[in-house]
Amino acid sequence: EAQVTQNPRYLITVTGKKLTVTCSQNMNHEYMSWYRQDPGLGLRQIYYSMNVEVTDKGDVPEGYKVSRKEKRNFPLILESPSPNQTSLYFCATTSSRGMSHGEQYFGPGTRLTVT
Amino acid sequence: AQSVTQPDIHITVSEGASLELRCNYSYGATPYLFWYVQSPGQGLQLLLKYFSGDTLVQGIKGFEAEFKRSQSSFNLRKPSVHWSDAAEYFCAVGANAGYSTLTFGKGTMLLVSP
Repeated sequence: EAQVTQNPRYLITVTGKKLTVTCSQNMNHEYMSWYRQDPGLGLRQIYYSMNVEVTDKGDVPEGYKVSRKEKRNFPLILESPSPNQTSLYFCATTSSRGMSHGEQYFGPGTRLTVT
Repeated sequence: AQSVTQPDIHITVSEGASLELRCNYSYGATPYLFWYVQSPGQGLQLLLKYFSGDTLVQGIKGFEAEFKRSQSSFNLRKPSVHWSDAAEYFCAVGANAGYSTLTFGKGTMLLVSP
């Protein structure tokens, strides 16, 4: 079954405590992205990756880091979380090939609260 | 830079009535356009996409959308709404066929009344 998994699904943390949200996909997709969703703002892209070791900034990259050491994994790192990073985070993947090319497959989301 | 405007934050439609959700985009080149739906507490699911060709695109769950280049619009329609269609709907425009950068609108919440 095609899947995008995120862990953890829910996280409450304190300001400044480094955290990592993992994303893994089993579809062999080249492209992976991270979005945050905030009420009234829709989804905004944080970072994306076009393949292993190739990443680039999206619209709201400040305060986040990513890495793509393996094709299936694309972790999101918050080195020093702040309350304004409280949000719902989605990982998404897509491929440039096949009938579903361009379709973003979304993970279930990670609800992050920073106090 | 690309942008998407969804002018309606909320729309209420009676069950069985027709639906049209508006989307206007700004993009300098040929746009790649998408509609996604998000049910409460869920991730997003693709309804349909437009890359090229026929400007009327059919999607899942009985939805369709029409690309109008002259109006920079990509409105979503459904002839008869079901209660299960209540959800939030997002229009998105992508560069590079949406493989990498995808810009979403702020969403339209659809409420379905009995």
